[in-house]
Amino acid sequence: QKEVEQNSGPLSVPEGAIASLNCTYSDRVSQSFFWYRQYSGKSPELIMSIYSNGDKEDGRFTAQLNKASQYVSLLIRDSQPSDSATYLCAVNPPMGNAGNNRKLIWGLGTSLAVNP
Amino acid sequence: NAGVTQTPKFQVLKTGQSMTLQCAQDMNHNSMYWYRQDPGMGLRLIYYSASEGTTDKGEVPNGYNVSRLNKREFSLRLESAAPSQTSVYFCASSGSWTANYGYTFGSGTRLTVV
Repeated sequence: QKEVEQNSGPLSVPEGAIASLNCTYSDRVSQSFFWYRQYSGKSPELIMSIYSNGDKEDGRFTAQLNKASQYVSLLIRDSQPSDSATYLCAVNPPMGNAGNNRKLIWGLGTSLAVNP
Repeated sequence: NAGVTQTPKFQVLKTGQSMTLQCAQDMNHNSMYWYRQDPGMGLRLIYYSASEGTTDKGEVPNGYNVSRLNKREFSLRLESAAPSQTSVYFCASSGSWTANYGYTFGSGTRLTVV
């Protein structure tokens, strides 16, 4: 089992709809969680971070964290064609041996296409 | 504020040639990272430096060397390039020693080895 799993997609939604992206992780005591957006040919860009159970909203984006179920999700409301990108989930594992908490663990990403 | 700057943006090498990818950050970050990204493989960590003067191997260090020249700069060297090293390379930095605040990425270097 991969440490951070995402559905590769593509996830296709119509413009104006809610896009829901999901990520599960294997280490129950992971500390912090991130969503990155990566446009084709560009570098990953941090769009959301979340550290506590529950929801965190920032504009049209909402991150949801459920540590008991070991998943983190990203909701994009009123999706726009400019949201079409690959969304990467990253997890910071807990402090442990060999400085594991110094390196993020990455999912492979979910491709999102928002259709006009 | 430039953030993380990588050079060059594109490079074509012949098999066996060497080159150094440069990375510099102006955010006073402690930790710096080198990743490669290949289709279907995601981001894979090559090397990282948690602080000035320290470097550690990541998942795929073979064929690469790194130097943390100072707090700002972290370079990646390919001593004898191979076609398998054709990839997009990203440098990243983190303000937290534990990566607890995520990374800031550079714009990437697209490397082709022929």
